[in-house]
Amino acid sequence: AQKITQTQPGMFVQEKEAVTLDCTYDTSDQSYGLFWYKQPSSGEMIFLIYQGSYDEQNATEGRYSLNFQKARKSANLVISASQLGDSAMYFCAMREGLLSDSWGKLQFGAGTQVVVTP
Amino acid sequence: NAGVTQTPKFQVLKTGQSMTLQCAQDMNHNSMYWYRQDPGMGLRLIYYSASEGTTDKGEVPNGYNVSRLNKREFSLRLESAAPSQTSVYFCASSRGQGVYGYTFGSGTRLTVV
Repeated sequence: AQKITQTQPGMFVQEKEAVTLDCTYDTSDQSYGLFWYKQPSSGEMIFLIYQGSYDEQNATEGRYSLNFQKARKSANLVISASQLGDSAMYFCAMREGLLSDSWGKLQFGAGTQVVVTP
Repeated sequence: NAGVTQTPKFQVLKTGQSMTLQCAQDMNHNSMYWYRQDPGMGLRLIYYSASEGTTDKGEVPNGYNVSRLNKREFSLRLESAAPSQTSVYFCASSRGQGVYGYTFGSGTRLTVV
């Protein structure tokens, strides 16, 4: 079963606007971590932001913030004030905790391609 | 710069040929991973090594073998390449099996013709 679902294959956003990338996850574990990675056209995987399941505050890193809704099992990435350099593929990922069969393994969604237009 | 180094960056193989993808990390990480990336499917785990001396299958292990040579190095071998193994391969490492993030290598683009 798919553990990470990203329902938006692609999005266009205008420069300087905010964009929200959706991510829902499936786990019965209480301890897990959620990650977002950026993959530009050059191909490398760049870590953006992390949210722990026990963190009470939503994570923020510069222009990136994570809208974490634990009860809904969603971890949406918000990019504020989009820049042309934000054009990339974005992946949501999860690592489950000790009680899970997939403990320690990072599981990825299919990704969302973001294109920022002038 | 510290990080994960993968070689080669590009490779073209003929069906049936073999090759080994090399990966080394210099962050003293315990765990290492091999993923493949295919369009529309995100990254899928091939094999992983939770610690030096151990390896385990991931989601898509068929057609691959791995060796954790030491704490730094984790190689992926294709014994008899098939066109279905055309993909981008990423090596990654992590401090351990907890909810830590990964550091990724720059990837190997493999084409099997």
